Amino acid sequence: EIVMTQSPATLSVSPGERATLSCRASQSVSSNLAWYQQKPGQAPRLLIYGASTRATGIPARFSGSGSGTEFTLTISSLQSEDFAVYYCQQYNNWLFTFGPGTKVDIK
Amino acid sequence: EVQLVESGGGLVQPGGSLRLSCAASGFTFSSYWMSWVRQAPGKGLEWVANIKQDGSEKYYVDSVKGRFTISRDNAKNSLYLQMNSLRAEDTAVYYCARPAGYVHYWGQGTLVTVSS
Repeated sequence: EIVMTQSPATLSVSPGERATLSCRASQSVSSNLAWYQQKPGQAPRLLIYGASTRATGIPARFSGSGSGTEFTLTISSLQSEDFAVYYCQQYNNWLFTFGPGTKVDIK
Repeated sequence: EVQLVESGGGLVQPGGSLRLSCAASGFTFSSYWMSWVRQAPGKGLEWVANIKQDGSEKYYVDSVKGRFTISRDNAKNSLYLQMNSLRAEDTAVYYCARPAGYVHYWGQGTLVTVSS
């Protein structure tokens, strides 16, 4: 099983500031890495797939980078609607795993 | 428009069984892998199971192997999750999902509560 870890667990950021979230895989997943945003009471929303490709309709302030075992999600200038929990997910095979999540809250 | 609508959740006693269903529409169901993903109250996402287009390949997270069975009926555009020997730790919102590895399409979820 590929274990995903995320850091930090909570990130306190002021609106307009930059947020950098990290995700690490226990073994290489190549670029088979996705990022999701989830707000309370809602299903997750796909942000990034292939480690760096924005999903349809996702604003350019969201960007992903990395490959192998180390990945980063950057939100360049946080908007009020971006305060949420963010999950990474590997899909290197059909045994998916999610990271534990990073909560981005208002500083 | 892709739609995934789960049903079948509810309250069940430990050791009991429940069958979840997911009705799919807006795409050619038989052409896609399908998944179940769950989320315990206040916790993170956990992938549960995947099934190939024709049902010939199935994968499960270790914690449900031998207790849960994923299946599909392509003629009815439906996905199922048979859950047996349920435990308190299976309490969660269960999402039906259409993966392409990553998941672009999710259902709204159905809540399963395992409690006496």
